[in-house]
Amino acid sequence: NAGVTQTPKFRVLKTGQSMTLLCAQDMNHEYMYWYRQDPGMGLRLIHYSVGEGTTAKGEVPDGYNVSRLKKQNFLLGLESAAPSQTSVYFCASSPLRGRGTEAFFGQGTRLTVV
Amino acid sequence: RKEVEQDPGPFNVPEGATVAFNCTYSNSASQSFFWYRQDCRKEPKLLMSVYSSGNEDGRFTAQLNRASQYISLLIRDSKLSDSATYLCVVNAVLGNEKLTFGTGTRLTIIP
Repeated sequence: NAGVTQTPKFRVLKTGQSMTLLCAQDMNHEYMYWYRQDPGMGLRLIHYSVGEGTTAKGEVPDGYNVSRLKKQNFLLGLESAAPSQTSVYFCASSPLRGRGTEAFFGQGTRLTVV
Repeated sequence: RKEVEQDPGPFNVPEGATVAFNCTYSNSASQSFFWYRQDCRKEPKLLMSVYSSGNEDGRFTAQLNRASQYISLLIRDSKLSDSATYLCVVNAVLGNEKLTFGTGTRLTIIP
């Protein structure tokens, strides 16, 4: 029962370093999302994908890039990390949209940029 | 104005009491509505979907008022295990559908 798996779970980066967060889902879902969660801000959508090979910008896309080369994987990249990107990152997936369709979340990645 | 607004709380409620949360949304074209629950340092999980006719799941009742653009969640006979943050979630169909989250309402049930 893997569901949505995120790696890594924790990471500390220095300002200017780059890294890639990996999200993998084994439920054959079409939609995948990357959110960040900050105190008092709730979950904010960074980028999302409606299918293999497609990506779209969310609410806060600046400083991030994504790729969806395989249906089951959605990668989030930080090219030059900044302290403002310190956050908890959640990946989610859902099947083709229908009324009441549930989104499933990974366990989160806690990223600190120093 | 935020797309989805919630009272952040915290709500501190004695065990056994009834507690209600409201959430307002700004996009009148929104199609789907949900309540998610998030425990401390954990991922959000679906609590229940919200339908126009209202729906109930055990001690939890969700209501939708499209005219006033708000959603409510009622928890009856609250348990210690209900302590969590409750997230109001709206799906606005804008070509490609995406979920928009409220900031969450923190609930603590007091013994």
